[in-house]
Amino acid sequence: NAGVTQTPKFQVLKTGQSMTLQCAQDMNHEYMSWYRQDPGMGLRLIHYSVGAGITDQGEVPNGYNVSRSTTEDFPLRLLSAAPSQTSVYFCASSYRTSSAHYEQYFGPGTRLTVT
Amino acid sequence: SQQGEEDPQALSIQEGENATMNCSYKTSINNLQWYRQNSGRGLVHLILIRSNEREKHSGRLRVTLDTSKKSSSLLITASRAADTASYFCATDKGTDKLIFGTGTRLQVFP
Repeated sequence: NAGVTQTPKFQVLKTGQSMTLQCAQDMNHEYMSWYRQDPGMGLRLIHYSVGAGITDQGEVPNGYNVSRSTTEDFPLRLLSAAPSQTSVYFCASSYRTSSAHYEQYFGPGTRLTVT
Repeated sequence: SQQGEEDPQALSIQEGENATMNCSYKTSINNLQWYRQNSGRGLVHLILIRSNEREKHSGRLRVTLDTSKKSSSLLITASRAADTASYFCATDKGTDKLIFGTGTRLQVFP
């Protein structure tokens, strides 16, 4: 299994441009999440999904859209990039274990710079 | 707002020494997990402890949880240079939504 894959690895955008960060998982996990990681701030949840067709907002959703048309894919769209969105973005997937907890599997990240 | 705060923010030790890092959180939880992040990589799950557990071991890792103080600690015994990474705690309330702490950067010198 490839696990969780993210593309691109690096991206530079100009302010106002839009783009989509891709995330895919081949583990048939129900749950997928997008986080951003900024220096000294840990990971903050942007959006998450509990299954195909179902998404919800996390802690910092403004400026981002998501959709979940299939179990495997969970793209993150930046509508109009701003310098404040310069960050490292991680996608994660998880499933509910038999002991009723969720262990997340992370992709390698996308490093985004907005100038 | 961050659920977990970790201290120290950074820790430097020699190989063979033990490393202890702490996590405090704000509200009641179902589970607390610890993750490791090597530089430039995604996070990797290390260990989970449930709210009704007080201590858990996995290899060189020992996790404690004190729900009355809303805190947890991660002990890495006999550390190795390969343990150099950032370590994050993450809490949940029984759903897939994890709230991560700010992390501890551990440097282990050979």
